[in-house]
Amino acid sequence: KAGVTQTPRYLIKTRGQQVTLSCSPISGHRSVSWYQQTPGQGLQFLFEYFSETQRNKGNFPGRFSGRQFSNSRSEMNVSTLELGDSALYLCASSLQNTGELFFGEGSRLTVL
Amino acid sequence: SQQGEEDPQALSIQEGENATMNCSYKTSINNLQWYRQNSGRGLVHLILIRSNEREKHSGRLRVTLDTSKKSSSLLITASRAADTASYFCATDGIRETSGSRLTFGEGTQLTVNP
Repeated sequence: KAGVTQTPRYLIKTRGQQVTLSCSPISGHRSVSWYQQTPGQGLQFLFEYFSETQRNKGNFPGRFSGRQFSNSRSEMNVSTLELGDSALYLCASSLQNTGELFFGEGSRLTVL
Repeated sequence: SQQGEEDPQALSIQEGENATMNCSYKTSINNLQWYRQNSGRGLVHLILIRSNEREKHSGRLRVTLDTSKKSSSLLITASRAADTASYFCATDGIRETSGSRLTFGEGTQLTVNP
């Protein structure tokens, strides 16, 4: 069974631009969640989607958004990028209510 | 802010020694999990312990949970160089809507020297 796939793995953007990150969950997993990891703030929850509906949202500004498609694939978008958005963005999928998350390798975003 | 705090922040040991990492959290939980992360990579799930369990084993891993003290420990026995990684504890919320929302600790960087 293929694992969680995130694309792109690395990207560089400049301030003010926007970025879209993609995540394909493990087949059969309907929950997809996103986390931001930075040296200063650690791992922080962004949002979770289940069956195309946002089920939970972390404390991030509205510039951070996401969506989930009918095949459970998910995208997250960050608009008007700031230097502080430079981070490793991790996507995780899970079966409903099992607790265990399966993470992708992450998308490393650098904002210049 | 992070709910979990981990102790120590960094740990350096020799191969064959045991490594113990501790985690404290602030709110009531359904379960607590431990994850491992190799440098710049994704996280890998190690073990999950439910709030009504006190101890759990998986291979060379032993996890304890003390809900009265809101703390957990992860013991890795007979460590290997390949165990070098960052280790994170993660807790869910007791609310029904917690879903897959986890709060991670700050992590312990373990270095196992050959």
